Amino acid sequence: IAGITQAPTSQILAAGRRMTLRCTQDMRHNAMYWYRQDLGLGLRLIHYSNTAGTTGKGEVPDGYSVSRANTDDFPLTLASAVPSQTSVYFCASSDTPGTAFGYTFGSGTRLTVV
Amino acid sequence: ILNVEQSPQSLHVQEGDSTNFTCSFPSSNFYALHWYRWETAKSPEALFVMTLNGDEKKKGRISATLNTKEGYSYLYIKGSQPEDSATYLCASASYDKVIFGPGTSLSVIP
Repeated sequence: IAGITQAPTSQILAAGRRMTLRCTQDMRHNAMYWYRQDLGLGLRLIHYSNTAGTTGKGEVPDGYSVSRANTDDFPLTLASAVPSQTSVYFCASSDTPGTAFGYTFGSGTRLTVV
Repeated sequence: ILNVEQSPQSLHVQEGDSTNFTCSFPSSNFYALHWYRWETAKSPEALFVMTLNGDEKKKGRISATLNTKEGYSYLYIKGSQPEDSATYLCASASYDKVIFGPGTSLSVIP
């Protein structure tokens, strides 16, 4: 089934630990995005990639890094997790970087940093 | 930075009632307006993408309108059903970024 796969589904992580959230899409979409969802704040963009080999910072990039070695994969890394990074993380993709197209979202990763 | 607002924050309606909610966005640098339907424990699903002032889109009992000059979009649901219960997100897109609103949570009571 075409779409986006995120892993893990949920994770409890000790503060200070390193964690990589995985995102894989099989639609050959050029653009990919990482959002975090927090109550009352909606979806906020962390990082994005318009095409393989390029990345950019979104609205809330601090404490996170991404890479885009190929079209399909867009992992998000927390180098040293802090409790404020407790959130639900959504990966999304779109066929082109243009914003006239709707996004396809993954099912999310619920991360709790303790 | 765009500021996208949605109202109301939450809404409870009886089955069969029609309802609507609002998405407000800055009209400068506007490129497209997205609507998403987000059911609990699932991922957001794209409903509509509108780009032109006066656009109207319809999918079944759900429709949306767009006014880019005054910076708002309405989402309408006719004859609400329990399966319409979800959070409805709008997102305003400039040429290089998409900013999401906080969503309107709809509960349809059988």
